[in-house]
Amino acid sequence: GQNIDQPTEMTATEGAIVQINCTYQTSGFNGLFWYQQHAGEAPTFLSYNVLDGLEEKGRFSSFLSRSKGYSYLLLKELQMKDSASYLCAVTDSNYQLIWGAGTKLIIKP
Amino acid sequence: TAGITQAPTSQILAAGRSMTLRCTQDMRHNAMYWYRQDLGLGLRLIHYSNTAGTTGKGEVPDGYSVSRANTDDFPLTLASAVPSQTSVYFCASSDSSGGSTDTQYFGPGTRLTVL
Repeated sequence: GQNIDQPTEMTATEGAIVQINCTYQTSGFNGLFWYQQHAGEAPTFLSYNVLDGLEEKGRFSSFLSRSKGYSYLLLKELQMKDSASYLCAVTDSNYQLIWGAGTKLIIKP
Repeated sequence: TAGITQAPTSQILAAGRSMTLRCTQDMRHNAMYWYRQDLGLGLRLIHYSNTAGTTGKGEVPDGYSVSRANTDDFPLTLASAVPSQTSVYFCASSDSSGGSTDTQYFGPGTRLTVL
């Protein structure tokens, strides 16, 4: 079966750095997405990785290792508005998106 | 630009009744999707359409039907609602038409409660 694993919940302090991990086992791989979802709202696109390595976009970075079936989302200089769920999703060999259950990130002052 | 709109925002429905959730996009995207999101579970694909006139079944299609008469609209119909269909429903679209990876953009969601 296909599986995406990410921690259910994480807590971090405002101004700090947090890393949210995602491991996947899918039938084929055609890219990995990270989405942000604030409570009661729609998911919004954060990043996309298809090749190994780090993609940096402002305070957010995403890393991919295809050989390890592993990705992480790194959030720097945390702000209270970063409190949200972060969803990892993998495109499989049929170009269908397989979604993780999401990681709820709680930011404390 | 509105992007993707969904209606209604929320609905309480009696079991056994039918209902259509509406979804409209103005980005001229080829592909559209319907997901449900339940607490503790990832987004699950109900049905999808790679282009106008075609539809396909996702992971959890039972009890739902869709149509894609034109590029912009992708309604989801529950023929006879059951309590297990209580969920938040998201419509999404992407510029791909199957066989490629493209970012999906989501509507604001419909919160449905079946009693």
